[in-house]
Amino acid sequence: DADVTQTPRNRITKTGKRIMLECSQTKGHDRMYWYRQDPGLGLRLIYYSFDVKDINKGEISDGYSVSRQAQAKFSLSLESAIPNQTALYFCATSRGPETGELFFGEGSRLTVL
Amino acid sequence: RKEVEQDPGPFNVPEGATVAFNCTYSNSASQSFFWYRQDCRKEPKLLMSVYSSGNEDGRFTAQLNRASQYISLLIRDSKLSDSATYLCVVLEYGNKLVFGAGTILRVKS
Repeated sequence: DADVTQTPRNRITKTGKRIMLECSQTKGHDRMYWYRQDPGLGLRLIYYSFDVKDINKGEISDGYSVSRQAQAKFSLSLESAIPNQTALYFCATSRGPETGELFFGEGSRLTVL
Repeated sequence: RKEVEQDPGPFNVPEGATVAFNCTYSNSASQSFFWYRQDCRKEPKLLMSVYSSGNEDGRFTAQLNRASQYISLLIRDSKLSDSATYLCVVLEYGNKLVFGAGTILRVKS
C-alpha cells in the first residue's frame, strides 16, 4: 500500500462545482503539502501544513482551501471549480524541508469542463 | 525570470550514451539542491541531493557551481529505464522548495 494516498485519482467535473481532493499518509510526518503540476510550469505549491493547527498559503492559493483534519489527513477543496484549475494535483509529506525529500502521493488528475 | 530554469528537452539518446542536464537558479541565497525523477504519469521521487563538492551515486553524478548558480546531472551508460523527466529542486532561504519544470530524457535502443 502506498504511504501517501490520494483520492480520487481522476475526476472530471463542471465549472462551478465544489470539489474535494483527499490525502492520507501513514509515514507519521507532521508536514503535508498540496502542489499542482501543469505542463511547462513545474510543481507549484498551493498550501502547506506543519501540524494539525498550522495552515499556510503557498504561491497559488487563490481559489483553493484546505483542511488538516488529523496528522495523517490533509484535504484540498475547490469551492467553485474553473477550467484553469484543470491540472495534476499532488499531495506530499516530509520530515522537514531541510532534507529536501518530499514523499508524494500518486496524484489526482482533475479536469474542469 | 523563473526561479529555477531547465531545458525542457526532450533529450533523445541511445542506450549506453552519456547525457548531462543543467539547471540554473536565480536566488543566490539558495541553500540546498536536489534532483528528482518523475516517470510518465507518476509522482516525483527524490533521485539524489547535490553537495557542494559534487557527488556520485552509481551512474549518476551531480555537480553544483555556486558562482554561476547552476547544478548539473550527468548520467553515464544510459539505460532504457532512465527514460523519465528529471526535476531540479532548490531549497531557498525560508525553507521554500522550488521545482524546475523538468527535463525530459528518452533513452532509445
